[in-house]
Amino acid sequence: SAVISQKPSRDICQRGTSLTIQCQVDSQVTMMFWYRQQPGQSLTLIATANQGSEATYESGFVIDKFPISRPNLTFSTLTVSNMSPEDSSIYLCSVAPNTGELFFGEGSRLTVL
Amino acid sequence: GESVGLHLPTLSVQEGDNSIINCAYSNSASDYFIWYKQESGKGPQFIIDIRSNMDKRQGQRVTVLLNKTVKHLSLQIAATQPGDSAVYFCAENIAEYGNKLVFGAGTILRVKS
Repeated sequence: SAVISQKPSRDICQRGTSLTIQCQVDSQVTMMFWYRQQPGQSLTLIATANQGSEATYESGFVIDKFPISRPNLTFSTLTVSNMSPEDSSIYLCSVAPNTGELFFGEGSRLTVL
Repeated sequence: GESVGLHLPTLSVQEGDNSIINCAYSNSASDYFIWYKQESGKGPQFIIDIRSNMDKRQGQRVTVLLNKTVKHLSLQIAATQPGDSAVYFCAENIAEYGNKLVFGAGTILRVKS
């Protein structure tokens, strides 16, 4: 298993600003995943972050809007840039230490005004 | 806290009854499936998984059934309890896509006492 801590747990942001979400894992993992969960909806994969390489983004998500850092095997950040109300969502960090089952953090709930 | 399931289908069951939550998946190449439970204000929590070489797997009070012919997955919860109230998501994994999980739409389970 893996224990994942995310910061902030929630925030209220102003339109046009950027916010960086941190994800810390209690063990070393190769792959970390960032998901978005819009209100009342399911989870959508934003990108996969591997240590030492550029993140791989899914269709509809771009690096300029969601830059990701992966400086080591236990930490990653996701930045939501130039936010608009449409970015109001829960952002979830997840890892798959044993290939297959994904473990999730508690999520970062962002509200953009 | 705010519910993440505002727009999702709802299944209401009486406490003590059995619950069946259904999921249709999209890709015939999917080889691994997971059911997650998400309580309000929390990240998804692993319930049970099944690989494509199986058609049934049982856990404690939960059973997952897989029908590859019609690409259908179900989660059965025996003797449903109030603590089972949550949003339930199925997720499918396609190994050739780098073990990324794709989530289904989700179902709200409400348990009436």
